[in-house]
Parts: sequence; structure tokens; C-alpha cells
Amino acid sequence: GAVVSQHPSWVICKSGTSVKIECRSLDFQATTMFWYRQFPKQSLMLMATSNEGSKATYEQGVEKDKFLINHASLTLSTLTVTSAHPEDSSFYICSARDRSRGGYGYTFGSGTRLTVV
Amino acid sequence: KQEVTQIPAALSVPEGENLVLNCSFTDSAIYNLQWFRQDPGKGLTSLLLIQSSQREQTSGRLNASLDKSSGRSTLYIAASQPGDSATYLCALKTSYDKVIFGPGTSLSVIP
Repeated sequence: GAVVSQHPSWVICKSGTSVKIECRSLDFQATTMFWYRQFPKQSLMLMATSNEGSKATYEQGVEKDKFLINHASLTLSTLTVTSAHPEDSSFYICSARDRSRGGYGYTFGSGTRLTVV
Repeated sequence: KQEVTQIPAALSVPEGENLVLNCSFTDSAIYNLQWFRQDPGKGLTSLLLIQSSQREQTSGRLNASLDKSSGRSTLYIAASQPGDSATYLCALKTSYDKVIFGPGTSLSVIP
């Protein structure tokens, strides 16, 4: 079955530094990847949609200059949290759509727990 | 605007009991509906995917139904086990190619 690998699974960083999170589709090509954020005891909220070879589309209220998304290949998308602050501490999770399955199914990564101190 | 709700927000049942989780949505224009399980601090595990043209899907002890006209989906878990304890999320793929998640139901199965 389709597998999405997300790395790292957890990271602690100092306030003001940048953190990069990777999302890879291991056995399929993903034309579109999605990035979500989940605060404690809340559901997942879509942050942005990234399409291979083009700019990401950000949801309202999400700062594109703070959350940099790159989707340079059909198997890799990255989310960089720039100048991280404690309020950016959250659970970040990506998902990818399997192009060969006509986009019907979405596979999720295992998530990244970001703690900014 | 599509809104998704899940009832109940939390549920605690004794082991062996059959249970139903509910997911409601306001806009019937969906491509599919997916049920996920999320363990604490972990990612999502897909349980069942129902296409908009389907009425239900089954996998082992799980059965999910979809009624677009009434904006409802249910996830039925038979003979619950302590290992079923997790948060269950329903997610809708909308016509605008977005996936919108419900707030989740936190399930606790007591041995």
C-alpha cells in the first residue's frame, strides 16, 4: 500500500531558529501534498496545499513567509518553519495523494511534534 | 462552507460492547469520506474510505456507512477491545479537492 514517510518525528528547537520537516511518498508519485497542523485536543487544520513544481496554496490566516513549502519532486515536499516561536509548537502532519489511484485516497505521514523553547 | 461535527466528543465503554460513532456534515457535495484513527501523539491510520457513490464499507470489525442526503456517516465498531482506544476522525474530500476533518471522538475501551 501507499506509504508516506515524515521526518523528523519530533524536534525541539530554540526560539528564532528554523526547522525543516520532510514528507516523502515512498512507493508512489504524489502530485499534491497537504500540510496540516494540530494543536492539543483539536482536530487537524489544513495549512497549505503544495503541487509539484509550483507554488503552494496557503489557507487563510497561514503566513506563507513563515511556513515555507517546497514541492520540488513528485515524491518530496518540505515544510520549513522559519523564525520559530513557542506558539508554533504543534503537531505537523502531511498527506499525499496517490496519482495512480485517481486521487481518491490520501495517505498520511506519521507526523512531527515540534516544540519551540 | 462545509462544516463537520462528530458526536460524541468522548466515549467510554466496557470491553466487548458494540458502539457507533457519528459524523455529520452540512454540504452533501463530497467526493468521499474517510475514517481515521489517531493514537496519542501519533499520525493517522486510515480505517475505511467510502466513495460518494457508495453506501458503506466494511473491514473486519469496522463498518462505515454514508448517507449523503442526510449529511451523515457512522462508524460501527463491533465487539470493542482495549486496543481500539484512540481518537477517531472523519474526513471529507470536498469538491474543491480539500480534506476537511471533524473534531474527532475520543474512545476509551475499558478492560
